[in-house]
Amino acid sequence: AAGVIQSPRHLIKEKRETATLKCYPIPRHDTVYWYQQGPGQDPQFLISFYEKMQSDKGSIPDRFSAQQFSDYHSELNMSSLELGDSALYFCASSPRSGGGIRETQYFGPGTRLLVL
Amino acid sequence: DAKTTQPNSMESNEEEPVHLPCNHSTISGTDYIHWYRQLPSQGPEYVIHGLTSNVNNRMASLAIAEDRKSSTLILHRATLRDAAVYYCILRDTSGTSGSRLTFGEGTQLTVNP
Repeated sequence: AAGVIQSPRHLIKEKRETATLKCYPIPRHDTVYWYQQGPGQDPQFLISFYEKMQSDKGSIPDRFSAQQFSDYHSELNMSSLELGDSALYFCASSPRSGGGIRETQYFGPGTRLLVL
Repeated sequence: DAKTTQPNSMESNEEEPVHLPCNHSTISGTDYIHWYRQLPSQGPEYVIHGLTSNVNNRMASLAIAEDRKSSTLILHRATLRDAAVYYCILRDTSGTSGSRLTFGEGTQLTVNP
């Protein structure tokens, strides 16, 4: 079965640089979520989109922005990177909108970002 | 979101049952109990969820206390591939808090051969 695709899988950036992470949800999934997992920490919710509109916002820094496109893929744009941004970034997708609390979230393999 | 409490770690032997407990004494009537797990170097993976009644699927069983203040995830025969961090997560169905998953400090399950 098709899974969530994330690219790139690994990314190395310098401080103050920008990075763009991409997420391709499972076909026919219309909701995308982004999570950040720092070293030794639990995943933390950043932001989510339903039908190309932001549906929920968590602890996402102002330096980060995200959007969902007409083909439902999503991109997380990160600017002025800091050392503390080094983390695993997971994207998840689900087949129902934010009102359907019961839907399962399917996670991608993650993008490992290292900021030097 | 209502808070959950899980043991930091548990150990099991291969092919034996594992009972992973979760306390959620402040659970509300609209909260579903979800379990996800995260294998090493992978994204979290859905395991099971329930509201009031016990639930079974191909991966596990979920036993929910009658007062809903606690639940137990049951792996009937642990394998080495079940070694992971298991998260118990409450999800509000009232529709006001969105669909985010709020991960707490899960249980690191070690399976011994």
